[in-house]
Amino acid sequence: NAGVTQTPKFQVLKTGQSMTLQCAQDMNHEYMSWYRQDPGMGLRLIHYSVGAGITDQGEVPNGYNVSRSTTEDFPLRLLSAAPSQTSVYFCASRGTSNQPQHFGDGTRLSIL
Amino acid sequence: EDQVTQSPEALRLQEGESSSLNCSYTVSGLRGLFWYRQDPGKGPEFLFTLYSAGEEKEKERLKATLTKKESFLHITAPKPEDSATYLCAVQGRQAGTALIFGKGTTLSVSS
Repeated sequence: NAGVTQTPKFQVLKTGQSMTLQCAQDMNHEYMSWYRQDPGMGLRLIHYSVGAGITDQGEVPNGYNVSRSTTEDFPLRLLSAAPSQTSVYFCASRGTSNQPQHFGDGTRLSIL
Repeated sequence: EDQVTQSPEALRLQEGESSSLNCSYTVSGLRGLFWYRQDPGKGPEFLFTLYSAGEEKEKERLKATLTKKESFLHITAPKPEDSATYLCAVQGRQAGTALIFGKGTTLSVSS
């Protein structure tokens, strides 16, 4: 039972490039979320999903897209990377709306 | 607007020196308050969920309590391995499924 798996662990991009951060969970959880964590800012919600085919925006959605075609996977796409998107990105999942979230170990993204 | 404020930002303790971390919150209809531990380079690890004022949860040297305005994470006789950043988050009725996180308290325990 791997829990929440994020790939890659590290990535360096140039401004304007696009990429997809992968997130997969094997707990059959309906709820999945993407957060970014910046120094002095805490964890901020980017997008979330309450089930396959259903997504919604969080606090800081601009510049990011998501889709949820399966229960297991919830990829996060950066459309045109900007230096302001340099951050650590965490994916999380939970079974029901008020259960605790389980986090992956993050993707550390640097944009030059 | 739902808000979470954690204090202090950083706390240094000697091994065995008990203390408390504070999480003050403002939320419209608390559905749950969560405590997480985060080690450097890792994702947050779930510790406790509290749902209503007066509730308490314990795990080893940690005890979490909840009032209508704040939560405390009490650390009794800490050890160096308790060093980590402790995060508090709330889920309110208006936020739906979203969690609002505080900025965390970084705890350092020296032997």
